[in-house]
Amino acid sequence: GAVVSQHPSRVICKSGTSVKIECRSLDFQATTMFWYRQFPKKSLMLMATSNEGSKATYEQGVEKDKFLINHASLTLSTLTVTSAHPEDSSFYICSAITADGGDSPLHFGNGTRLTVT
Amino acid sequence: AQKVTQAQTEISVVEKEDVTLDCVYETRDTTYYLFWYKQPPSGELVFLIRRNSFDEQNEISGRYSWNFQKSTSSFNFTITASQVVDSAVYFCALSEPSGYYKLSFGAGTTVTVRA
Repeated sequence: GAVVSQHPSRVICKSGTSVKIECRSLDFQATTMFWYRQFPKKSLMLMATSNEGSKATYEQGVEKDKFLINHASLTLSTLTVTSAHPEDSSFYICSAITADGGDSPLHFGNGTRLTVT
Repeated sequence: AQKVTQAQTEISVVEKEDVTLDCVYETRDTTYYLFWYKQPPSGELVFLIRRNSFDEQNEISGRYSWNFQKSTSSFNFTITASQVVDSAVYFCALSEPSGYYKLSFGAGTTVTVRA
């Protein structure tokens, strides 16, 4: 089945540094990927839609300059948290759509737990 | 506006008990998808079901069953004869008008099954 790989699974960084999270579709091409953020014991909030070859579409309230999204190929989208602060600590999950339809065309990565100290 | 309400924050049951998770949604769309996902402690999201708005048939898959009632905008999920491995956070989600795979998630219900 379709697999979405996220890397790293955990990252700890110091305040003020930038962190890049990768989301790869391993066995299919994904023209569209989504990035979600989940605070502890909270729901998932859609941050942005990542489109291959074009600019990402951000949800209201999400800072574009803070959360840089690049979707340079059909199998890779990256989320860069720039100048990270402790309040950026969260669980970030990406998802990708497969073109083969079926009951589960939307596939989620395993998530990245970011801790900013 | 899209909205998914999971009123139950936490449910604790003893093994073999049945547990029903409620999900109520709001949308102005006539065509939409509803989803249920399971999130175990490891964090990944496990797909359980997708239902489109035109299909109100109830579904059963093993110990899982779903009751979709468009008249009450509800899509409830029942785990029959619960097991410890069912302990997880369960999310109900609704597709956004602008894209069937942009999802609005409910707050989640934490299910704890005790041996």
